[in-house]
Amino acid sequence: EAQVTQNPRYLITVTGKKLTVTCSQNMNHEYMSWYRQDPGLGLRQIYYSMNVEVTDKGDVPEGYKVSRKEKRNFPLILESPSPNQTSLYFCASSFRGPTPSNYGYTFGSGTRLTVV
Amino acid sequence: AQTVTQSQPEMSVQEAETVTLSCTYDTSESDYYLFWYKQPPSRQMILVIRQEAYKQQNATENRFSVNFQKAAKSFSLKISDSQLGDAAMYFCAYIYAGNMLTFGGGTRLMVKP
Repeated sequence: EAQVTQNPRYLITVTGKKLTVTCSQNMNHEYMSWYRQDPGLGLRQIYYSMNVEVTDKGDVPEGYKVSRKEKRNFPLILESPSPNQTSLYFCASSFRGPTPSNYGYTFGSGTRLTVV
Repeated sequence: AQTVTQSQPEMSVQEAETVTLSCTYDTSESDYYLFWYKQPPSRQMILVIRQEAYKQQNATENRFSVNFQKAAKSFSLKISDSQLGDAAMYFCAYIYAGNMLTFGGGTRLMVKP
C-alpha cells in the first residue's frame, strides 16, 4: 500500500531532550516536507526536500533540523525541544513533476508532540 | 508571499442540508492549483477536491463542488446533502510550480443530526 509512515504517533518529552520523528514513504517520491499544525494557523511548512541531500527551510524552521540521506526517509530532529514546539506534526510527500498537475500530496498520520 | 485565508473558524449545518465554506487567497501568479483537504478526528489529511487555475470550469466530486472566482481570488467549497461523516476540519490550500503547499487556518464543520 502506498503510504507515508510517521513515528511515533504520540510523544511527550521534556524541555531540552533531543528527539527525532521519523518519516518514510514507499512511493519513490522526490519531494518530502514537514508541517506543523496549530489551532487557527493551519499547517505551516517547517522544512522541505526536493531530492536526496537537497533540503531547504520553510516558513517556520527555527529549532528544527532535517536530513535526506535516502530518498524514502526524511526525519525531523528537535535538538533541544521547547514548550512552544508542542504541536501536531505532519510529514508529506509527492512527485516533483514539471507541472502542478503532478502535485498530489500524500500525508502521514501525524505526530502529536508535547514538550513539558 | 502567498497567503490563504479562511474567515470562518466554525460552521454548522443540519444533516441533509447544504453548506458553503469560504476561502480567499492572495497571489501574483496566473497558473496555480487550489485544494480543499478534510481532516476528521483521526487526524488524517484527506484530499477532497482540486482546482486548476487555468480551468474555468468549477471542479466537482460527488457531493462536493467549488466556486472558483479567479479574479476575486476566491475558492469556496460547497457540500450538498451533508452527512454526519462530513464533520471535520477543512483546510483550503494553494500551490504554485513546486513551491510549498500553503494552507489556510481551517474551518471546523459540525453536522447536526
